[in-house]
Amino acid sequence: EAQVTQNPRYLITVTGKKLTVTCSQNMNHEYMSWYRQDPGLGLRQIYYSMNVEVTDKGDVPEGYKVSRKEKRNFPLILESPSPNQTSLYFCATWGPLDTEAFFGQGTRLTVV
Amino acid sequence: AQKITQTQPGMFVQEKEAVTLDCTYDTSDQSYGLFWYKQPSSGEMIFLIYQGSYDEQNATEGRYSLNFQKARKSANLVISASQLGDSAMYFCAMRRSRGAGNKLTFGGGTRVLVKP
Repeated sequence: EAQVTQNPRYLITVTGKKLTVTCSQNMNHEYMSWYRQDPGLGLRQIYYSMNVEVTDKGDVPEGYKVSRKEKRNFPLILESPSPNQTSLYFCATWGPLDTEAFFGQGTRLTVV
Repeated sequence: AQKITQTQPGMFVQEKEAVTLDCTYDTSDQSYGLFWYKQPSSGEMIFLIYQGSYDEQNATEGRYSLNFQKARKSANLVISASQLGDSAMYFCAMRRSRGAGNKLTFGGGTRVLVKP
C-alpha cells in the first residue's frame, strides 16, 4: 500500500529542545515537501526536496532544517523550537505525473 | 505570486443536496494544476479531484466535480448528493510546475457541515 508515514503523530515539547519529525515514503517518489497548517492560513510550504541531496526553501523556512540523504526519508528538524512553531505539520510527496500529492497523517506539535 | 481565495469560511448543506464550494486563483503561470482536498476532524488530507490548466473538460470523480472556468480563474468544487460523512474542511490548492518547486498553494478553506 502506498504510504507516507510521519512520526510522531503528536508531540508536546518545551522551548529550545531540539526535535525531529520523521517522514518516510514507500513509493520511490523523487519529490517530497513539508507544510505547516495554521488556522485561517491553510497550508504553507516549509521546505521541499526534488531528489536526494537537493533541498530548497519554501515560503516559511525560518526555524526549520531538512535533509535528504536517501530517497525515502525527509526529516524535518527544529533545532530550537519556539511557541510560534506550534502547528500541524504535513509531509507530502508527488507522483510522477504531478496530478496528486500524497500526504502523511500529520504531526500535531505543541511548543510550550 | 500565487494566491488562492476561498470566500466561504463555512456553510451548512442539507443531506442529499448538492453544494458548491467557491475557489478563485491568481497566477501568471501558463501551466499549473488545481486540486481540492478534504480534511475531516481527524486531520488527514484526503485528495478529492485534480484539474490541469490545459484540460478542456471539467474533472469529475464520483460525487465530486470541478467547475473550471479558466478565463475567470475559478475552480469551484461541486459535491452532489451530500452525505453526513462529507462534513469536513475543504481546501482548494494550486500547484506550480516542477521548475518552480512543484509548490502547492492553499486557500484558507471552507468548513462544510451536512445536516440530516
